[in-house]
Amino acid sequence: GAGVSQSPSNKVTEKGKDVELRCDPISGHTALYWYRQSLGQGLEFLIYFQGNSAPDKSGLPSDRFSAERTGGSVSTLTIQRTQQEDSAVYLCASSQHLNTEAFFGQGTRLTVV
Amino acid sequence: DAKTTQPTSMDCAEGRAANLPCNHSTISGNEYVYWYRQIHSQGPQYIIHGLKNNETNEMASLIITEDRKSSTLILPHATLRDTAVYYCIVRASSTSGTYKYIFGTGTRLKVLA
Repeated sequence: GAGVSQSPSNKVTEKGKDVELRCDPISGHTALYWYRQSLGQGLEFLIYFQGNSAPDKSGLPSDRFSAERTGGSVSTLTIQRTQQEDSAVYLCASSQHLNTEAFFGQGTRLTVV
Repeated sequence: DAKTTQPTSMDCAEGRAANLPCNHSTISGNEYVYWYRQIHSQGPQYIIHGLKNNETNEMASLIITEDRKSSTLILPHATLRDTAVYYCIVRASSTSGTYKYIFGTGTRLKVLA
């Protein structure tokens, strides 16, 4: 596609359930980033990928959060045993290379009830 | 921690130039200055980036001081659609640094009719 695509755009889940958020980067982009933004807050870095490997996963808030990228393309962010504080917009971005500008998707709004 | 300091908010009259300042006094020689903006409820949008020379594209101009400790983003003819939060980010460009973008609190620009 022309831009970074994220799905679903909205997700409501019950506390304690697992969720998977998907990111389709721009075709050919080797780097992929995940961020989250809580209501009224700034962007919080979670993890980035170069190809299928994650050189920096320092922003993952707990071991309930994990991410993978396969085939150097699609990435999935998984949150296990969701908590209410996980409610946020989860944003994905991709760039052609690590040292070029990144382009963001429109995010997945996750609500944990 | 964000390495930049920006004013919390600014107003600009429609049709006038918007000049958004950013201080990055601890910037390293291999770090670029990036600007993104986020319009309400959307993913961040890339605007421009630079290392030490001034840069211009169809959206904006970036003026970096000679000592690289500060920069200014210029929107030459602001429109109501430029109302957004503008983020100034410094980011490593070599393999010795992490490539994550660290977003601060940004400047909330309001363009007035």
